[in-house]
Parts: sequence; C-alpha cells; structure tokens
Amino acid sequence: AQSVAQPEDQVNVAEGNPLTVKCTYSVSGNPYLFWYVQYPNRGLQFLLKYITGDNLVKGSYGFEAEFNKSQTSFHLKKPSALVSDSALYFCAVRPNSGNTPLVFGKGTRLSVIA
Amino acid sequence: DTAVSQTPKYLVTQMGNDKSIKCEQNLGHDTMYWYKQDSKKFLKIMFSYNNKELIINETVPNRFSPKSPDKAHLNLHINSLELGDSAVYFCASSPSGASGLYNEQFFGPGTRLTVL
Repeated sequence: AQSVAQPEDQVNVAEGNPLTVKCTYSVSGNPYLFWYVQYPNRGLQFLLKYITGDNLVKGSYGFEAEFNKSQTSFHLKKPSALVSDSALYFCAVRPNSGNTPLVFGKGTRLSVIA
Repeated sequence: DTAVSQTPKYLVTQMGNDKSIKCEQNLGHDTMYWYKQDSKKFLKIMFSYNNKELIINETVPNRFSPKSPDKAHLNLHINSLELGDSAVYFCASSPSGASGLYNEQFFGPGTRLTVL
C-alpha cells in the first residue's frame, strides 16, 4: 500500500527567505505525486504534480518541487516566501497504474513571518 | 463561477440523527469523491464514483451511503450519527479517461459536521 510522510508538522520561515516543505513517499511501481494547499476554512487547491519526465516541476504561485526517485522524495520549494503563503500543505501519491485512491500526507503547516 | 459546491457549509446535529450532504460540480468531470478530514487535519478518501458508478469504497461504516443521481452530483447520506463522525467532509471531482490517474482533483469548500 502506498504512503506519504511529511516529517514536519510546522515550518516557520521569514518573509523573503526560501522555503522547503518535505515529503517522502512509498508506492509500488512508479508514482504520480501531487502538492495541494489548504487555506483556513477552505477546500484543498492543487499546486503542482509530477507525472514523468523532468524531475523539477513548476506550479502555481511560484512553487516548485523536485522529484528524487532514489530518495523517494518530492519536496516543495519556493525561492522567496510571502506571508500569504501561510497555509496547510499536503503531499499526495498514487501509483501510475491500477485503480487505487490518492493517499495524502498528514499535512505541514507553513507560517511565513513578516 | 462555483466549480465544486457543497451544502450545507455547517451541520450541527444530535447523535442518532440521519443527515445528508450534497455536492455538485459544474466542471464536466466524470469522477467524484468524498473525503473526511478529522480534527488533526488528516485527510482520507471515503468513496469515489465514476460516471455514477462506485469505484472506490474505503473502510467506511455502512451508515455512510453515497448516492450519485447523475455524474454532476454526489451526495452523502449518514445514518445514526455518532460523535466520531464529527469532521469536515470534502467533495472533490476530477476528469477521468486515459489521463485519469494523474489528473488533479478539484475540492469543494467543505461541510463541517458537528455531532452533539
């Protein structure tokens, strides 16, 4: 069965500094990987995904993520954090075959401090 | 333009009652989902429908019954509500087809259910 680990419950970063939100995964076969963001009292919003090809994927709001197959990681990054990036971030994975559901990590709360 | 909508937004009810949550999407997607987010923000799939047919049914009590009258709607009916059912329930949708496995999902705003 697939699983996702987000080892940090909370990440604090100063505005303007680079940010990283970590994600590692376990899946049979090759993965499809996703990042979603949840603002308070809202549903999840898609940020970016890795399907195949280039290991560095770019997404919404200046976010990017790097797929590392050997480390089974898909860390979310942004070069310069904004206060408005403060939210709950979820990593999710599913295998690239079979009818299995998307599995989410437990979420990482990002706080960007002005 | 509301893509995925849910009603009601808040639902407060007594233990033992039966309640329904409605979900509609106007994106033309074939696949719809119900997720439960608990108080620790952990998000777990409950059900998935594709073209009105159930395709994923995770370990969910029989008290929960999804119904899809057409592919734009997926409602969730809950019988004999228990305290542990208190959570935020999210509906989502995505396109299916050949690219279905890697299509992103679009989430509704959530329904906060409180069972007293």
